[in-house]
Amino acid sequence: EIVLTQSPGTLSLSPGERATLSCRASQSVSSTSLAWYQQKPGQAPRLLIYGASSRATGIPNRFSGSGSGTDFTLTISRLEPEDFAVYYCQQYGSSPYTFGQGTKLEIK
Amino acid sequence: EVQLVQSGAEVKKPGESLKISCKGSGFRFTTYWIGWVRQMPGKGLEWMGIIYPSDSDTRYSPSFQGQVTISADKSITTAYLQWSSLKASDTALYYCVRHFTVTFVPYYFDSWGQGTLVTVSS
Repeated sequence: EIVLTQSPGTLSLSPGERATLSCRASQSVSSTSLAWYQQKPGQAPRLLIYGASSRATGIPNRFSGSGSGTDFTLTISRLEPEDFAVYYCQQYGSSPYTFGQGTKLEIK
Repeated sequence: EVQLVQSGAEVKKPGESLKISCKGSGFRFTTYWIGWVRQMPGKGLEWMGIIYPSDSDTRYSPSFQGQVTISADKSITTAYLQWSSLKASDTALYYCVRHFTVTFVPYYFDSWGQGTLVTVSS
């Protein structure tokens, strides 16, 4: 089973700042099969990024993903008030399709 | 529009059985893997397993194998998650998800249900 470790656990930033979230895998994730999801309180998660770097439909271009192998990053270039939420990475290259434990992005 | 509509919240006692549902619409149900994700109170997301409704091929996470049963009825485009004997530790929010699927291979989750809250308490 591939274990995903996200860091930091909590990130405190202000609107307009840049956010960098990390996701590290215990073994190489095949074919960049990594996704990022955003979850706001009381809502189901929504897909942001798939294939490590492809934005899902309707996702603003301030969200970008990068990485390969075992190290992946989600970057939000300029934080908007609606971006404060919990972010999860997930690998879907090999079953079981594991998630990271999440990074909470909070307003400073 | 792709939709996954889940059944309503449940309150059960330990030892009881339960089956929750997820009805898909707006897409060809038999050509996508449908999965279930658990979120315990205040915790993260856990992938439980998936089913391919066309032939009912089912795969489970080792953590959930033997603990739950995933099934589907393609005639009514509905997937199910069931327990034969609930425990207090099954208290959680359960999401059904659609896997983006290409030539029978499941990929990322491109659509989520609204979640079903299951509470198990004596």
